[in-house]
Amino acid sequence: QSVLTQPPSVSAAPGQKVTISCSGSSSNIGNNYVSWYQQLPGTAPKLLIYDNNKRPSGIPDRFSGSKSGTSATLGITGLRTGDEADYYCGTWDSSLSAVVFGGGTRLTVL
Amino acid sequence: EVQLVESGGGLVQPGGSLRLSCAASGFTFSIYAMSWVRQAPGRGLEWVSAISGSGSRTYYADSVKGRFTISRDNSKNPLSLQMNSLRAEDTAIYYCARVFITGTTLSFDYWGQGTLVTVSS
Repeated sequence: QSVLTQPPSVSAAPGQKVTISCSGSSSNIGNNYVSWYQQLPGTAPKLLIYDNNKRPSGIPDRFSGSKSGTSATLGITGLRTGDEADYYCGTWDSSLSAVVFGGGTRLTVL
Repeated sequence: EVQLVESGGGLVQPGGSLRLSCAASGFTFSIYAMSWVRQAPGRGLEWVSAISGSGSRTYYADSVKGRFTISRDNSKNPLSLQMNSLRAEDTAIYYCARVFITGTTLSFDYWGQGTLVTVSS
């Protein structure tokens, strides 16, 4: 049981937009920045979004992040088959004094 | 180019020990906090431990506290994770990751390819 809650899977057609939610509490998302990671099959995770909505260099603007209260959302537009991956949200939990992750969401591009 | 390369994984019996290492290059190792994150087969990510750039502060997940020890040698730049009293539930790919601290939280901006630890008799 993960501290942060994500839907197990989402799907959409190529070219469409999808959003992935991440729900937490005041001890984590509510008072700390959220990061998002993409894990392509058989590879290590890769940082997609940090500080709720900032993209590291090299990450296309098709990827976006937002946060409201104790929930965060990852948005992906112009979906491509190459976006098929597992996506994880993560943040610091002030009560646990630990980094916490969501359980991951598998994106399928139909 | 930032590179993180883990080593030291393998098969170990329950109750045994293993030491993982992470060789870092392409950045000034001593000014960055570092972390270990693991992923059990078919499961999600689980943060394991972190260490400050100087090595003076360490942090652990409750699941490994008292059994695992993170350390670093800034003169030779390896990051290490000493794992004792290993359990079947410690079986996972262990990733070394560079910590990126902003404001009140942190993220992991570079990851190694991971090393597999299997705890089984």
